[in-house]
Amino acid sequence: TQLLEQSPQFLSIQEGENLTVYCNSSSVFSSLQWYRQEPGEGPVLLVTVVTGGEVKKLKRLTFQFGDARKDSSLHITAAQPGDTGLYLCAGARNNNDMRFGAGTRLTVKP
Amino acid sequence: GAVVSQHPSWVICKSGTSVKIECRSLDFQATTMFWYRQFPKQSLMLMATSNEGSKATYEQGVEKDKFLINHASLTLSTLTVTSAHPEDSSFYICRAQVSSYEQYFGPGTRLTVT
Repeated sequence: TQLLEQSPQFLSIQEGENLTVYCNSSSVFSSLQWYRQEPGEGPVLLVTVVTGGEVKKLKRLTFQFGDARKDSSLHITAAQPGDTGLYLCAGARNNNDMRFGAGTRLTVKP
Repeated sequence: GAVVSQHPSWVICKSGTSVKIECRSLDFQATTMFWYRQFPKQSLMLMATSNEGSKATYEQGVEKDKFLINHASLTLSTLTVTSAHPEDSSFYICRAQVSSYEQYFGPGTRLTVT
């Protein structure tokens, strides 16, 4: 059983559409990170959220950490083909224990 | 920004042989390094955690005698897959941690066992 449940698992949309990816857990995390990974490469950190209710924006990407620090969402506005990739959320329960969700594979078609 | 390298980036070996994968932090010292395995179209699964100068801590179900981890310095950790079998074929990724909020992934090593 995954500690972190990501949904949807797969998402295929047209360029210009908006989308939201969810990351949910029954556990409380001290911090949560979102990564994007392209085939054959390591994950690249997008953002770290640490405070319940925190919202961070990175250009067209908006990240939110739930008030209880158990869940998070990633919203992409006006998706572009360059956004295509595997999006992973990862929650840290203490300094070393970081667990990954199963990932959301996003395809943005031109 | 901080860089973590892995060597080799890809390797093909015959069944029964051993393969060593290196993970180096190039411009910082990593107190802890983590090794993950990722099968196609799946997420990262933590294999083990290693701190410099001490024995690695392996996740449940990961054979410590098969996946040997050595963390000899603050900038180098190695993962050796011993007596590799085709089912060990996977993408192996290391993560180097500076602090709980600062960590970096390597680019990964694709292992194919024939």
